[in-house]
Amino acid sequence: GQQVMQIPQYQHVQEGEDFTTYCNSSTTLSNIQWYKQRPGGHPVFLIQLVKSGEVKKQKRLTFQFGEAKKNSSLHITATQTTDVGTYFCAGRPDEDFNKFYFGSGTKLNVKP
Amino acid sequence: DAGVIQSPRHEVTEMGQEVTLRCKPISGHDYLFWYRQTMMRGLELLIYFNNNVPIDDSGMPEDRFSAKMPNASFSTLKIQPSEPRDSAVYFCASSQAGAYNEQFFGPGTRLTVL
Repeated sequence: GQQVMQIPQYQHVQEGEDFTTYCNSSTTLSNIQWYKQRPGGHPVFLIQLVKSGEVKKQKRLTFQFGEAKKNSSLHITATQTTDVGTYFCAGRPDEDFNKFYFGSGTKLNVKP
Repeated sequence: DAGVIQSPRHEVTEMGQEVTLRCKPISGHDYLFWYRQTMMRGLELLIYFNNNVPIDDSGMPEDRFSAKMPNASFSTLKIQPSEPRDSAVYFCASSQAGAYNEQFFGPGTRLTVL
C-alpha cells in the first residue's frame, strides 16, 4: 500500500494566506525530500531533510522533519500566485534502502 | 548542461503496439529513475538503476514493461503490448548518490494509448 501519505489533497487559498502540507510515513525515513511541480511541468527539487527534528527555511518556505522521522511538513507564509503547483514529499524508508517513495502530493491553488 | 532529455515528448499509439520511451541522463549522474504519473495513482517509481544496473524494479507494473540501460548515457522504457491503462506521463530522472541527493527530472513523455 501507499507508504507516504500527504494531506490535504487539494488546498485553495487567497493570495497572502498561509499554506501547510503534511507528509506522513508508516515507517521511519532516512531522509525527506520536497519537490514542486508546476501545472504541465515536471517535479523540481526544493530541499532535503535528514536529521530528526530538522527545520530548514527558504525565503517564505519552512520545512520540518519530525522527531520520529515519520512525518514532515512544508509551510508557505503569505502565498503568492507563483506558489501554484503540486507539492510532493519523498523519502527512503530505513527498513529498505532500495526503496524510494513519493507522497500523493498536495495541489495548491492561489487566487489573486 | 542540457538537463535530462526525454524523447518523444508526446506519443499516441494504438492498443497492442510496442512503445519505446528514451532518456538521456545528466552527464556524471550515476542513478537513473523511471516514474509514471497519473491522476489516479500519482507519481510512481517504476525502476531505478545505479551505474547501469537495475536496483529496484518492484514498481514495474507487469511483464509488459521492461527497462534497459545499456550505457551511462542512455536508457529505454519499453511497453509491449501497450494498453489504454498505460496512458500516463512518464518521467525519467537522474541524480548523483541516488535517493540521498536531489533528482533532476526530465520534461516527461505524455503517452496516450487508444
